[in-house]
Amino acid sequence: ETGVTQSPTHLIKTRGQQVTLRCSSQSGHNTVSWYQQALGQGPQFIFQYYREEENGRGNFPPRFSGLQFPNYSSELNVNALELDDSALYLCASSLDRGSNQPQHFGDGTRLSIL
Amino acid sequence: QQQVKQSPQSLIVQKGGISIINCAYENTAFDYFPWYQQFPGKGPALLIAIRPDVSEKKEGRFTISFNKSAKQFSLHIMDSQPGDSATYFCAAFKMAGTALIFGKGTTLSVSS
Repeated sequence: ETGVTQSPTHLIKTRGQQVTLRCSSQSGHNTVSWYQQALGQGPQFIFQYYREEENGRGNFPPRFSGLQFPNYSSELNVNALELDDSALYLCASSLDRGSNQPQHFGDGTRLSIL
Repeated sequence: QQQVKQSPQSLIVQKGGISIINCAYENTAFDYFPWYQQFPGKGPALLIAIRPDVSEKKEGRFTISFNKSAKQFSLHIMDSQPGDSATYFCAAFKMAGTALIFGKGTTLSVSS
């Protein structure tokens, strides 16, 4: 069984640019959640997608947007990058939405903003 | 406002000792409490989880103790090994919610 895979593993961008991060969910999982983990902190929830629809959103500005595709893979897009966007971006998939379904994380994309 | 408070921030334990990490929460709507283990350069890996109708759950050397009335839960790692050296995060998930709410993490070092 393939786990959650994310690409790219590392990325360097400059302020004002746009970035797209990708996530392939674990086989059979229809729910994908994205988290931002700043250095030395716990992950912070960005948003969740369930069956191609946004299912919940954390306290992040609209320049953070996402998509989920029919095969349940997902993208995170960030526009107008700021220095504070430098972080590890984590994708987690679960069999279904709700608290009875554990979330399994990929190894993340390390984004550095210069 | 930090919804899940985790302590200590760092912990050093001798090989074979017991590591204890504590978490506290405020929101009684939380109904699922997982612990994640994260190694440098890796994503968090689910270690063990508990629901509020159970006071203790054990899986191998890892045990969660849960005190519903005090709104606290803790992770105990028995016979700690150098390979357990990692950052541990407690988290909580709200009934009918979507997001895991994480603590700030505890960096565990097990000395040999």
